[in-house]
Order: sequence, then C-alpha cells, then structure tokens
Amino acid sequence: GENVEQHPSTLSVQEGDSAVIKCTYSDSASNYFPWYKQELGKGPQLIIDIRSNVGEKKDQRIAVTLNKTAKHFSLHITETQPEDSAVYFCAAGLFSGGYNKLIFGAGTRLAVHP
Amino acid sequence: DTEVTQTPKHLVMGMTNKKSLKCEQHMGHRAMYWYKQKAKKPPELMFVYSYEKLSINESVPSRFSPECPNSSLLNLHLHALQPEDSALYLCASSQGPGDEQYFGPGTRLTVT
Repeated sequence: GENVEQHPSTLSVQEGDSAVIKCTYSDSASNYFPWYKQELGKGPQLIIDIRSNVGEKKDQRIAVTLNKTAKHFSLHITETQPEDSAVYFCAAGLFSGGYNKLIFGAGTRLAVHP
Repeated sequence: DTEVTQTPKHLVMGMTNKKSLKCEQHMGHRAMYWYKQKAKKPPELMFVYSYEKLSINESVPSRFSPECPNSSLLNLHLHALQPEDSALYLCASSQGPGDEQYFGPGTRLTVT
C-alpha cells in the first residue's frame, strides 16, 4: 500500500524566513496531494492541494511543487509569520474503491519565532 | 463556506456508557468521513459515507457504529469503549468522494 514520508519532523524559523517541508510517496498511482495545517486544539485545515497533471501551484505566500518522476512533493511558505506556527500534514490521495483515500505523512511541527 | 461542525467539543465517558458524536455540513457535500487522531499522529480513516451509504469501513471495531440520517448529518455511536479509544474524532466532508476533504474541529473523547 501507499506510504508517505514527511521531513523534517520539526522546523524552527525566524519570522520573515522561508520554510520548506518535503514529502515522498511510494505508490506511483497516487494523483492528489493536499496539505493541511493543524493548529493546537483544532481540526486540520486544507491550505493548498495539487493534482498530478500540475507541477506547481501557488496561493499568496504558499506554494506546492510536485515531481511525479521522483515521487515527491514539497510545501513552500515564504515570509513566514508567527501565525504560521502549527503542525503541517502532507497526504497522498489515490482514487480507489469509489473514493479518494488519503494517506498522511507523520506531520511537521513548524515554529515561527518573532 | 467550507464549514463542518461537530458536537460536542469534549466528551468524557465511562466504559459502560453509550454516547454519540454528531457532525453536520450544509455545503451540499455528498461524501462524509470519520477519522480518529491520536496525539501527535496524523488522522486515520475510520468510515466513508458516499451519497448517504456506507462505502468504506476501515476494519473498525463494532463498538463504533456510524450512521448517516441524511445528506447533511453524520453520527458516530459509541458503546463499550476502551481507554485506548481516547482520541480526537474528526469528521470531514467533500463535494464528491474524489474531491478535496474539509475537516471539522473534532470531538476530544476521553474514555475512563
């Protein structure tokens, strides 16, 4: 089955710096790659996603890149702010059995220091 | 509006109790999901409802019983739980079963 590895597990940056989180997946049939942000005591919030027919997608300070050949995708956050501090989860989605099954990475705890 | 609501926010129950978790969305989504999240771990899928029918049960013990009374509402009935079932229970929904999933805030369950 699908396996998603996420690195680093923790990331500490200064406000204004960039942050990059990387994920690799094992099943080449996976075709949907969302990123979720989870703040303490809250549910995961979808912040950006990409499908396998696209190599890069950007939304203001957040961008995601996908390399299908290497089977990895990355989240880039520019000009980080303290409110970006949270746990970020990547996921790989495979449409099988009539639904999109998401396999999550272990998560990255991002701390942005003022 | 991408809001999924869940009640209650917190629940403490004994191992002999019966309780229910409730999830609601008014986005017209036709797929709804239950996930379980242990501390410092990613969410794990439990059940998928597609067009109000149970389509996926990820080998969840029978002490968890899902129900989808209508297209906007999803319940999770709990009975004879174990302390290791203590976790954050998340509901999610998507337009269709292949679309992006939006999560609710979760119910923090403690089994004593």
